[in-house]
Amino acid sequence: TQLLEQSPQFLSIQEGENLTVYCNSSSVFSSLQWYRQEPGEGPVLLVTVVTGGEVKKLKRLTFQFGDARKDSSLHITAAQTGDTGLYLCAGDRSGGSNYKLTFGKGTLLTVNP
Amino acid sequence: NAGVTQTPKFQVLKTGQSMTLQCAQDMNHEYMSWYRQDPGMGLRLIHYSVGAGITDQGEVPNGYNVSRSTTEDFPLRLLSAAPSQTSVYFCASKAMGAYNEQFFGPGTRLTVL
Repeated sequence: TQLLEQSPQFLSIQEGENLTVYCNSSSVFSSLQWYRQEPGEGPVLLVTVVTGGEVKKLKRLTFQFGDARKDSSLHITAAQTGDTGLYLCAGDRSGGSNYKLTFGKGTLLTVNP
Repeated sequence: NAGVTQTPKFQVLKTGQSMTLQCAQDMNHEYMSWYRQDPGMGLRLIHYSVGAGITDQGEVPNGYNVSRSTTEDFPLRLLSAAPSQTSVYFCASKAMGAYNEQFFGPGTRLTVL
């Protein structure tokens, strides 16, 4: 049973379009993290959301943590080719220590010029 | 700082062979971990350590051994490799404390024939 469900699994869009990626669970998380991974490299942290209802912005990326701390979304405005990559969400259920992160399967985003 | 380094980058083994995947970090992080990433499965935690001499199991520990004799190094041992262990392995480290960022290495791609 996958604890964190990410959707969509694949997304191919044109440069300039907006998109949203979802990360859903039936479990409550202490925090939720979003990572971006490029081919042949390890994941790189984009953001950590901690409080239910929290919204964080990172330039054209907007991250939201659900009120119940069970789900999260990543919205990209005016996507660029440099946004291409694998986006992973990861949840922590250990009170913030991040000792045991549970990862979703990822969303592979391709932004076409 | 080099961050988190992993060796080798690529490795091919025959079933039953043993090997050690090396991981080192120069950030003086107490927490280190090993994940494996398989297509369609996301990242899954194998083992983790919160300091020298302290290790614990993650989600998929079977077939893997770890030890932590120094703060800097956290090797992952496969005693008798199996084809099911074909995967990309990532080592990560972070500073202790709530919600601290986890830094990932570049990965080791292992194929077991």
